[in-house]
Amino acid sequence: EAQVTQNPRYLITVTGKKLTVTCSQNMNHEYMSWYRQDPGLGLRQIYYSMNVEVTDKGDVPEGYKVSRKEKRNFPLILESPSPNQTSLYFCASRQGGGMNTEAFFGQGTRLTVV
Amino acid sequence: RKEVEQDPGPFNVPEGATVAFNCTYSNSASQSFFWYRQDCRKEPKLLMSVYSSGNEDGRFTAQLNRASQYISLLIRDSKLSDSATYLCVVFASGGSYIPTFGRGTSLIVHP
Repeated sequence: EAQVTQNPRYLITVTGKKLTVTCSQNMNHEYMSWYRQDPGLGLRQIYYSMNVEVTDKGDVPEGYKVSRKEKRNFPLILESPSPNQTSLYFCASRQGGGMNTEAFFGQGTRLTVV
Repeated sequence: RKEVEQDPGPFNVPEGATVAFNCTYSNSASQSFFWYRQDCRKEPKLLMSVYSSGNEDGRFTAQLNRASQYISLLIRDSKLSDSATYLCVVFASGGSYIPTFGRGTSLIVHP
């Protein structure tokens, strides 16, 4: 089954404790991205990657890092999480960076930083 | 002014009703447009692309009005299962890989 898998689905952590949210897709998609979704603000792109070893900032990259060492994986790293990073996070992938391809989203990771 | 704007709703309609949502965008160079559906606490899923000439998929019709810079989604014969948040997504021109999402319009279909 074609899917994007994120882990963990839920996470409560403390300020400053490094964490990684994993994202994996089995569709051989080139393009992957991370979003955060906050009430009243909608989905905002954090980082994206057009292929292995190619990453770029989205609209809200501050406080986040990503890596793309393999095509299927695109982890999101919070080196020193802060309470303002409490949010619902989605990973997405699509074939190519073209604007007319469907984006497939993971099931989301609800992160709380206390 | 936000780049992509939607009325958050909620739109509260009875089963069988026809309901329409608009989404306005500020960048006149925007090229690609989509409607996604998001159920509560779930991931967004593509509902339909929006083509220049308008397009229909069953009970759903999407239209683009470039002159007035908005896209619309029309749902006919609403079902209870149509209750969700509908997100519009806009890509600007120039090969931008950063889509802009609207905040979503909430639809509640009641018996």
